[in-house]
Amino acid sequence: SQQGEEDPQALSIQEGENATMNCSYKTSINNLQWYRQNSGRGLVHLILIRSNEREKHSGRLRVTLDTSKKSSSLLITASRAADTASYFCATVPFGGGGADGLTFGKGTHLIIQP
Amino acid sequence: DTGVSQNPRHKITKRGQNVTFRCDPISEHNRLYWYRQTLGQGPEFLTYFQNEAQLEKSRLLSDRFSAERPKGSFSTLEIQRTEQGDSAMYLCASSQETVYNSPLHFGNGTRLTVT
Repeated sequence: SQQGEEDPQALSIQEGENATMNCSYKTSINNLQWYRQNSGRGLVHLILIRSNEREKHSGRLRVTLDTSKKSSSLLITASRAADTASYFCATVPFGGGGADGLTFGKGTHLIIQP
Repeated sequence: DTGVSQNPRHKITKRGQNVTFRCDPISEHNRLYWYRQTLGQGPEFLTYFQNEAQLEKSRLLSDRFSAERPKGSFSTLEIQRTEQGDSAMYLCASSQETVYNSPLHFGNGTRLTVT
């Protein structure tokens, strides 16, 4: 089963605009991670945010986490054509043994129009 | 750091045949994961190794699926008596620490097509 659910499923914006994707999850987490996947390729890690953190930044990326609402958002500022990809959130359950790896959502497919 | 390597990149097989995929993790990573990804979905966890020990295999999809990591380095995933529903991308990932502290590093996957 997939714990995280991204919203929207697809997003198309103009180059230079900001893109916001949301992720909701069901159970308590240790951390939440965002990954990017270009078509036909593997996933690339973007940001890891722990349950006691509320916001993290990396370059043009900003991730927020609201554990009370069990939700996270990924903001990409000043989007570029190269940002076109699928974006996934993945959760690590709280109290697990770590042997389950990550549980991924279905992803948001982002298209940046030139 | 040469990244996670998976071979082959593509595999086409006929229903009923056995297939084996190989994953070479980043050399200093002792944790290795296999995932399956179908079109339009996120990766689905299959199994996990710490060194040569397979610590989680209950999520393998059926008894036709098996994985090994004989010397704690590379790993293989085998699917016996393939079915059309096995068509998917099979992804391998590795990490140096547990997912509590470390992200996963993914390979580019093996795309399996069962005809």
